[in-house]
Amino acid sequence: KAGVTQTPRYLIKTRGQQVTLSCSPISGHRSVSWYQQTPGQGLQFLFEYFSETQRNKGNFPGRFSGRQFSNSRSEMNVSTLELGDSALYLCASSSDSSYNEQFFGPGTRLTVL
Amino acid sequence: AQSVTQLGSHVSVSEGALVLLRCNYSSSVPPYLFWYVQYPNQGLQLLLKYTSAATLVKGINGFEAEFKKSETSFHLTKPSAHMSDAAEYFCAVSREGAQKLVFGQGTRLTINP
Repeated sequence: KAGVTQTPRYLIKTRGQQVTLSCSPISGHRSVSWYQQTPGQGLQFLFEYFSETQRNKGNFPGRFSGRQFSNSRSEMNVSTLELGDSALYLCASSSDSSYNEQFFGPGTRLTVL
Repeated sequence: AQSVTQLGSHVSVSEGALVLLRCNYSSSVPPYLFWYVQYPNQGLQLLLKYTSAATLVKGINGFEAEFKKSETSFHLTKPSAHMSDAAEYFCAVSREGAQKLVFGQGTRLTINP
């Protein structure tokens, strides 16, 4: 079974731009969560989608948004990029009945200049 | 609210020595607890999980952890360290029915030859 895939793996943007990151979950998984990882703040939960609905949201500004499609693939969008948005963005998928066990993708490394 | 504290941001042991990584949690509801490992430039890989079954949990690569409710701890151990164990380790907590993981700040494990 293929794992969680994320595209692109690396991205360089400038301040003020917007960016879209993509995540394809493991086949059959309907829950997709997003996390931001930075050296200063560590791993922080952004949001979770299940069956195309946002089910939970972390404490991030409205510039961070996401969506999920009918095939469970998910995208997250960051608008008006700031230098502090530079991070590794990790996507995780889960089959809702698996005691919250989440499988992580390799991440997208975003650098904002 | 749930939180996780990992004692020691950096642990160094000799090859063949005992590995002990400490994790304490705070949760107002019965927790689900996880240990993840992250190798450089990769996502997170699940080592083991506690979901209210056996308190001693065995994971992959020879790791195990013991859930101690009285001490609110979930320390990770491995009897004999191997060079390939060098990585960053994260303890995380969630609650039943919620996919949101709350992570500790991580512990970087270094193995000395």
